[in-house]
Amino acid sequence: KAGVTQTPRYLIKTRGQQVTLSCSPISGHRSVSWYQQTPGQGLQFLFEYFSETQRNKGNFPGRFSGRQFSNSRSEMNVSTLELGDSALYLCASSLVSGSTYNEQFFGPGTRLTVL
Amino acid sequence: AQRVTQPEKLLSVFKGAPVELKCNYSYSGSPELFWYVQYSRQRLQLLLRHISRESIKGFTADLNKGETSFHLKKPFAQEEDSAMYYCASLMFSGGYNKLIFGAGTRLAVHP
Repeated sequence: KAGVTQTPRYLIKTRGQQVTLSCSPISGHRSVSWYQQTPGQGLQFLFEYFSETQRNKGNFPGRFSGRQFSNSRSEMNVSTLELGDSALYLCASSLVSGSTYNEQFFGPGTRLTVL
Repeated sequence: AQRVTQPEKLLSVFKGAPVELKCNYSYSGSPELFWYVQYSRQRLQLLLRHISRESIKGFTADLNKGETSFHLKKPFAQEEDSAMYYCASLMFSGGYNKLIFGAGTRLAVHP
């Protein structure tokens, strides 16, 4: 099976702009989670989508949003970019089976640099 | 709020030395804990989870509820163990589970 893919891999934007990142989960996986990874904070949970619905949300401002499509692909959008948004954005997918935790498989990440 | 703390940003050891990566959690219930690893230029991947009680690549981690710790240990470090290690805890929120990660510890194993 192909792994989780993320596009683009690298992105350079300026303050005030907006950006959209894409994540394609492993075939058959219906849950997609997004994380922000920075050297100082480690991985911070952004949100999780399942069946096109946001199930969980982390403590990020409303500038961070996402969505999931019927084929489970997910996009994340950041509006009005700030310098502090520079980070590696990771997407992870997992099977969902009842209330049992399923292992999350991570993508390679999108490196966002805000100038 | 549920938190995962990894007190060391960097742990530097020589090959063959024992390794202990520290992780403490705050959770009043029965936690489900994990260790994830990220090797250079590779994806973040699951190393082990406490309910499996298994040893992966020579690493083990024991849940100590009294000390609220889940330290990762290996008796003899290898150079290929050099990587970023993240401890994570499963948190039940809004009816669903989500992973809470620590800030990570970089393990550097020197020859």
